[in-house]
Amino acid sequence: SQQGEEDPQALSIQEGENATMNCSYKTSINNLQWYRQNSGRGLVHLILIRSNEREKHSGRLRVTLDTSKKSSSLLITASRAADTASYFCATNQGGSEKLVFGKGMKLTVNP
Amino acid sequence: NAGVTQTPKFRVLKTGQSMTLLCAQDMNHEYMYWYRQDPGMGLRLIHYSVGEGTTAKGEVPDGYNVSRLKKQNFLLGLESAAPSQTSVYFCASHANRGKLYTGNTIYFGEGSWLTVV
Repeated sequence: SQQGEEDPQALSIQEGENATMNCSYKTSINNLQWYRQNSGRGLVHLILIRSNEREKHSGRLRVTLDTSKKSSSLLITASRAADTASYFCATNQGGSEKLVFGKGMKLTVNP
Repeated sequence: NAGVTQTPKFRVLKTGQSMTLLCAQDMNHEYMYWYRQDPGMGLRLIHYSVGEGTTAKGEVPDGYNVSRLKKQNFLLGLESAAPSQTSVYFCASHANRGKLYTGNTIYFGEGSWLTVV
């Protein structure tokens, strides 16, 4: 079963705008990760946030985690056309050897 | 350093045929995974391996078999292909359980597109 659910499922914005994607999950987790997938390619790891962290930054990416609400958000600031891709959240439950992925969200950044 | 390599990249099978997808990694990783990706479904784990000679079932293992005879290779087999197995298959690997918790050393292959007619 899918652990993470991204919201919205698709988002179209203009270059320069910020893009926010949300992920909800069902069970307790060890960490939550965000991945990016360009069309026809494999997944690339973007950022990881541990269950005891609330916010993390990496370049134009900002991730928050609210374990009480079992949700996370990924913010991409000052978006670029090259950010056009699908984005997935994935969770790792404590003691598990597996990553469980959400269904993904398609972001389109129009030039 | 090639990372994670999947072969073949594209394949068309007839219903009932068999085939094997090969995943090879040159990073001496212990953990390897096979996922399938379908529209609107995200990635679903088929089988995984935590070391040479070990395999375990994931979310959707039915209709697939796997083998990890060599540490660097993880094979995914379809004994009797069905149209429902039309999908894009991704292999992934990482070094060990600790790396799963850090995330930035999980590597994915570029995918194998399989169509069963």
